[in-house]
This record gives sequence, C-alpha cells and structure tokens, in this order.
Amino acid sequence: AQSVAQPEDQVNVAEGNPLTVKCTYSVSGNPYLFWYVQYPNRGLQFLLKYITGDNLVKGSYGFEAEFNKSQTSFHLKKPSALVSDSALYFCAVTGSARQLTFGSGTQLTVLP
Amino acid sequence: DGGITQSPKYLFRKEGQNVTLSCEQNLNHDAMYWYRQDPGQGLRLIYYSQIVNDFQKGDIAEGYSVSREKKESFPLTVTSAQKNPTAFYLCASTPRTSGPRGHSEQFFGPGTRLTVL
Repeated sequence: AQSVAQPEDQVNVAEGNPLTVKCTYSVSGNPYLFWYVQYPNRGLQFLLKYITGDNLVKGSYGFEAEFNKSQTSFHLKKPSALVSDSALYFCAVTGSARQLTFGSGTQLTVLP
Repeated sequence: DGGITQSPKYLFRKEGQNVTLSCEQNLNHDAMYWYRQDPGQGLRLIYYSQIVNDFQKGDIAEGYSVSREKKESFPLTVTSAQKNPTAFYLCASTPRTSGPRGHSEQFFGPGTRLTVL
C-alpha cells in the first residue's frame, strides 16, 4: 500500500528565513508527487507536482520541491518565507495504483 | 476554488437524518472525488467517479452514497449509517482519468463543514 509521511505537525519559521516542509513517501512503481496548500476553512490549492524529469520542481508563490529518489523524499522549500505563507500544507503521492494518498498535513506558521 | 462549487458551506444534521452535499464543476472534468478531512488525519477518499454513471468506493465509503448522473455534478449523501459524520468534506475533480501519460493535479472546491447536533 502506498503512504505519505509528513513527520512534522507544526513548523515555525521567522519571516525572511528559508522554510522547509518535509515529506517522505512509499509507493509501487514510479511516484507522482504533489504539494497542496490549505487556508482556514477553504479547499486545497495546488502548488506543484513532480511527474518526471528535473528533480527540482518550481511551483506557485515562489515554492519549490526537490525529488530525491534514494531517500524517497519530496521536501517543500522556499528561500524567504512570508507571513502570508502561513497555512496547512499537504504532500500527496500516486503511483501504479493511480489513487492519490495524502499526508496528514503540516501547519506552517511564519512569524513576523 | 475556481470552477468547483460546493453547497452548503455549513450544514447541521440531526441524529438519524440523511443529508446531501452538493458538488458542481464547470471545468468539463471527467473525474470527480469526495474526501473527508478530520484534524490531524489529512484527507481520506470516500468515493470517486471517473465517468458519468459510474463510481467506485474509496477507503471510507461506509455510511455514504453518491450518484453521477451528469458530468458536472457529483452529490454525496451522508446517511444515518455514518456514525461519526462531523467533518469537513471536500470535493475535487481532474481533467481526465489517470492514464499512461501521467497524472493530473486535482482541483478542489471550497468544502462543506458538516456538524451533527
């Protein structure tokens, strides 16, 4: 069975500092990886995805993620955090099963 | 949230009552999904439909039912058999079913928060 782990329930970072939200996965076949963001009482918004090709994927709002096959990781990063980046972030994976599995989410708080 | 609407935004249900959550999309997407979100548990798949008049159970389908009579609409009924229905419900869609060319990201609606009184 495929799975996604987001080991940190909460990440705090100061505004202007780099941020990282961690994600590791387990899947059969080639992984297709996604990051979504959710603001309070709203639906999820797509940030970026890895399908194939370059291991560094760039997405919306200055976010990027690095696919590491050997470590089965897909960490979300941003060079300089903004207070408005504070939200709940979800990593998701699909593989040969063609069903999307979400992690439990990481609450990012950017402190002014 | 663009292109997918969910209604109502808030819904209150009495014990033993069935309620139906609406999901409509104008994106011409083939596949539609229903998820349940509980704090600290991420999203869990309830039902999905890849084509009109066809749908499959997800991981937690017990106590729920769906229909897909039109491409644009995928309503979810929470029945009295669902013992703990209080949650945030999210509907999503994708342009095509997952195929050998890759996997499309899902587009989400704004959600419906269901509370049992």
